[in-house]
Amino acid sequence: GAVVSQHPSWVICKSGTSVKIECRSLDFQATTMFWYRQFPKQSLMLMATSNEGSKATYEQGVEKDKFLINHASLTLSTLTVTSAHPEDSSFYICSASLRSYEQYFGPGTRLTVT
Amino acid sequence: GNSVTQMEGPVTLSEEAFLTINCTYTATGYPSLFWYVQYPGEGLQLLLKATKADDKGSNKGFEATYRKETTSFHLEKGSVQVSDSAVYFCALRDGNNRLAFGKGNQVVVIP
Repeated sequence: GAVVSQHPSWVICKSGTSVKIECRSLDFQATTMFWYRQFPKQSLMLMATSNEGSKATYEQGVEKDKFLINHASLTLSTLTVTSAHPEDSSFYICSASLRSYEQYFGPGTRLTVT
Repeated sequence: GNSVTQMEGPVTLSEEAFLTINCTYTATGYPSLFWYVQYPGEGLQLLLKATKADDKGSNKGFEATYRKETTSFHLEKGSVQVSDSAVYFCALRDGNNRLAFGKGNQVVVIP
């Protein structure tokens, strides 16, 4: 099956700093990538949809200036959490799909902001 | 908007027991329905899916039937194994390929 990787798998950063999370589709070209956030014992909440070469579409309530998404190539999307605060601590998960086919999920990145 | 509701709480059962996890949905149009599984330390994996009413998805002994009349997609397995211990998420996909997930159910199978 298709493989999606995320890097880093976990990161600790200080409040006020920015952190970048990478999502890569390793063996297929992803026209669309999705970013989710998962709180402990909660469901995945879609944050934004990213199409290669165009601006991301953010879900209602997600601050686009805080969560910067770049999808510069068909195999790489990045999520940058800017000026992170402790309430941004969460599990961030990406998925990738080719056109409107199945989404393949990355293993997630645990972000802790101190 | 679209939403998915799963039964509350973890599920603990003995090996070879029958498993049912309830899932109901609210959606406009005719969504596709999915069950995803998340094993410890791993990403979500598609377990099974159904794209239209009365379809039955099946995989690894798990089954779920798309019931439009009851807006449900309950997951069942006749005889669980310890290796089935994981978190199970029900989800629907809208026309823009966006997934809406339920809260997930932790399943613990005891030998």
